[in-house]
Amino acid sequence: QVQLVESGGGVVQPGGSLRLSCAASGFTFRSYGMHWVRQAPGKGLEWVALIRNDGNDKYYADSMKGRFTVSRDNSRNTLYLQMNSLRSEDTAMYYCASRTGYYFDYWGQGTLVTVSS
Amino acid sequence: QSALTQPPSVSGSPGQSVTISCTGTSSDVGNYNRVSWYQQPPGTAPKLMIYEVSNRPSGVPDRFSGSKSGNTASLTISGLQAEDEADYYCSSYTSSGTWVFGGGTKLTVL
Repeated sequence: QVQLVESGGGVVQPGGSLRLSCAASGFTFRSYGMHWVRQAPGKGLEWVALIRNDGNDKYYADSMKGRFTVSRDNSRNTLYLQMNSLRSEDTAMYYCASRTGYYFDYWGQGTLVTVSS
Repeated sequence: QSALTQPPSVSGSPGQSVTISCTGTSSDVGNYNRVSWYQQPPGTAPKLMIYEVSNRPSGVPDRFSGSKSGNTASLTISGLQAEDEADYYCSSYTSSGTWVFGGGTKLTVL
């Protein structure tokens, strides 16, 4: 069955960096685009980024452009999110989700990022 | 891109029907049949319930249905059950090539 497992979250100081990973299994990872979605504590879902299946096209929410970089390694079935210049408002649970069409069909359980001094 | 507008909360008794609205603009909901809905019980990851306005993935009960009129999409849950209690989010693809979510609706089963 499809499994997405995020890792790499933790506590980081404002201005710091963090790299999240999402390990995929149970489907042909290289055939699917992948999203990152985040959810601040007690708040709603916010789309972060999409990377197409071959990694050549990437799209970002305006508030993340220039600070976040999405990438993937299809040989390792792994998705990444490099987050730089982190701010307190980036504190959230970060989910990876697979893309089919224009929706998010499978989700991981998330990894928590806390930006605090 | 502003979030889609959903009511903060809805409620209903077991067996009743409830409808959750999701209002966007002509740049997202109104321009594409690319609206989806997600269920998120407390402390869990979201789960896809409806895609492309009105399609149910395998395994989602037919009590869940979706529709759209103009810039507003709707999720209707009929025959409410206690297990339906959760937060529900709509999402739409946008003309900017990005995605936007609604603010979420808390469903309480009385």
